Amino acid sequence: SQKIEQNSEALNIQEGKTATLTCNYTNYSPAYLQWYRQDPGRGPVFLLLIRENEKEKRKERLKVTFDTTLKQSLFHITASQPADSATYLCALRSNDYKLSFGAGTTVTVRA
Amino acid sequence: EAGVTQSPTHLIKTRGQQATLRCSPISGHTSVYWYQQALGLGLQFLLWYDEGEERNRGNFPPRFSGRQFPNYSSELNVNALELEDSALYLCASSPTLFTDTQYFGPGTRLTVL
Repeated sequence: SQKIEQNSEALNIQEGKTATLTCNYTNYSPAYLQWYRQDPGRGPVFLLLIRENEKEKRKERLKVTFDTTLKQSLFHITASQPADSATYLCALRSNDYKLSFGAGTTVTVRA
Repeated sequence: EAGVTQSPTHLIKTRGQQATLRCSPISGHTSVYWYQQALGLGLQFLLWYDEGEERNRGNFPPRFSGRQFPNYSSELNVNALELEDSALYLCASSPTLFTDTQYFGPGTRLTVL
């Protein structure tokens, strides 16, 4: 069956450090992968989309890598700030065309 | 440009009642998606509508149903409410059914007592 797994543990980091989140998938052959941010009680907000032929993508302090051989994406938040504290979700389109989300990794940035 | 809107913000019902949740997509978006997010859990896909048709359905019982209107707004109905239906219900839209990115609304918090 298709499965998306993200860091099971919450991530607590010091302001200014880099947070690295992992998204592993099984039985998908994705053409792309997406990352979203969700704040408590709010809907997710789209951050980045990376295609299978793109090894890396950046947006401001965010960097995403995509390794289709390892079936893994890494999401980096550099120079982290307390405002980056949120849950981050990766998402893939499954064989039946619906978008499936990982359970998310909660990041807390300490001042 | 206005984002996805949902109503009501909060809804309190008792077991056995019916709930109706509404969603207005971003103007020009034809696809609408519904998700359930129980407290502390991930997003569970419920339903997907595009151009008025149901495109896909998640693993939920038939008492979860919905529709999409000609103006692309959508309604989610939950019949015979159960306590475990208490959750945040999120609606998302995308410009077409082929578009990868989804834009989410703020959600409706449904509480079943």
